[in-house]
Amino acid sequence: GAGVSQSPSNKVTEKGKDVELRCDPISGHTALYWYRQSLGQGLEFLIYFQGNSAPDKSGLPSDRFSAERTGGSVSTLTIQRTQQEDSAVYLCASSSNSQTEAFFGQGTRLTVV
Amino acid sequence: GENVEQHPSTLSVQEGDSAVIKCTYSDSASNYFPWYKQELGKGPQLIIDIRSNVGEKKDQRIAVTLNKTAKHFSLHITETQPEDSAVYFCAASKTGGFKTIFGAGTRLFVKA
Repeated sequence: GAGVSQSPSNKVTEKGKDVELRCDPISGHTALYWYRQSLGQGLEFLIYFQGNSAPDKSGLPSDRFSAERTGGSVSTLTIQRTQQEDSAVYLCASSSNSQTEAFFGQGTRLTVV
Repeated sequence: GENVEQHPSTLSVQEGDSAVIKCTYSDSASNYFPWYKQELGKGPQLIIDIRSNVGEKKDQRIAVTLNKTAKHFSLHITETQPEDSAVYFCAASKTGGFKTIFGAGTRLFVKA
């Protein structure tokens, strides 16, 4: 596709359930980021993938959060045993490297009830 | 590691006035400084960027200045319009596969 695609666009889940969020980056982009944005707040860094390097997981808030990037392309962010405080918009971005424009997806709005 | 601070967190201006948002960074090796605009319900989008080999860049009503010695950079919007109302993020990154670091954002309100 022409841009970064995220799915689903909206997800409502019950507390305690696991969720998977998907990001399709722009083809050929080596860098991929996940951010969390609570209502009216800034971008909270979660994880960064760059090529074949080990991902920077320093922003993951707890061990309930994990992410992988298969074949250097599609990425999934998994949240296990969701809590109400996990409710937020999860944004994915990709770039050709860290020194160029990052393209953001539209985000997945996660609501934990 | 790199830290980017952004001020103010909220800015309200009258239509036609100028708006200035300022950011400072901590890593002197940073050499790429993009600015993003986020409209309601959308992901951030790049509006202008500057690299460390220049001190100023302009694109119509928006301009960015960079002071490498002081490690700060600023976004200037002139003749503001209601459609400029959005959240603006500054960011900094450096060569070598390091992640881009974002500021906390500035919510700009332009009053008609």
